[in-house]
Amino acid sequence: DAGVTQSPTHLIKTRGQQVTLRCSPKSGHDTVSWYQQALGQGPQFIFQYYEEEERQRGNFPDRFSGHQFPNYSSELNVNALLLGDSALYLCASSSRGYGYTFGSGTRLTVV
Amino acid sequence: TQLLEQSPQFLSIQEGENLTVYCNSSSVFSSLQWYRQEPGEGPVLLVTVVTGGEVKKLKRLTFQFGDARKDSSLHITAAQPGDTGLYLCAGDSWGKLQFGAGTQVVVTP
Repeated sequence: DAGVTQSPTHLIKTRGQQVTLRCSPKSGHDTVSWYQQALGQGPQFIFQYYEEEERQRGNFPDRFSGHQFPNYSSELNVNALLLGDSALYLCASSSRGYGYTFGSGTRLTVV
Repeated sequence: TQLLEQSPQFLSIQEGENLTVYCNSSSVFSSLQWYRQEPGEGPVLLVTVVTGGEVKKLKRLTFQFGDARKDSSLHITAAQPGDTGLYLCAGDSWGKLQFGAGTQVVVTP
């Protein structure tokens, strides 16, 4: 049974560019949450998607947006990249708030 | 800004020793979770505690949730090198996990 799959695993972008990260949830899970983890910090909640809608949002600017598809997979988009956006981006899936399972993350480096 | 305070930030011990990691918050959460994260990987859920005063044991790991549901501790007995990792606590606020900064544990043979 596949867990949470994230792609790509690593990414290097230039300031001002846009990036799209992808996440496939664990089988049976219908909720996807995205987190940003800076070096030496715990993960910070970006937003959560359920039934293809954004249900909750953390303290992140509108440059961060997302989408959930009918098959429950999700994308995280970041526009106008800043150096400070460099981090590990984690996707977590769950079913009705239970069984949080994290992917291995996408390491984004902005240069 | 981390709403959950973890202490200590770093812990280095010898194999066979015991250790305790603390997680404190001024907020009440519906549940509190503990994770272990290894380099290049996502956090892996160890346990979820829900009831104030609850104690859960997972082999050599003992987790306790404070009576007021604002603090928690993780105790490892007879630590092994495989216990090395970043230990994170997270409060569940209606499906939104709020994490502490983590405690880096290193167990040397």
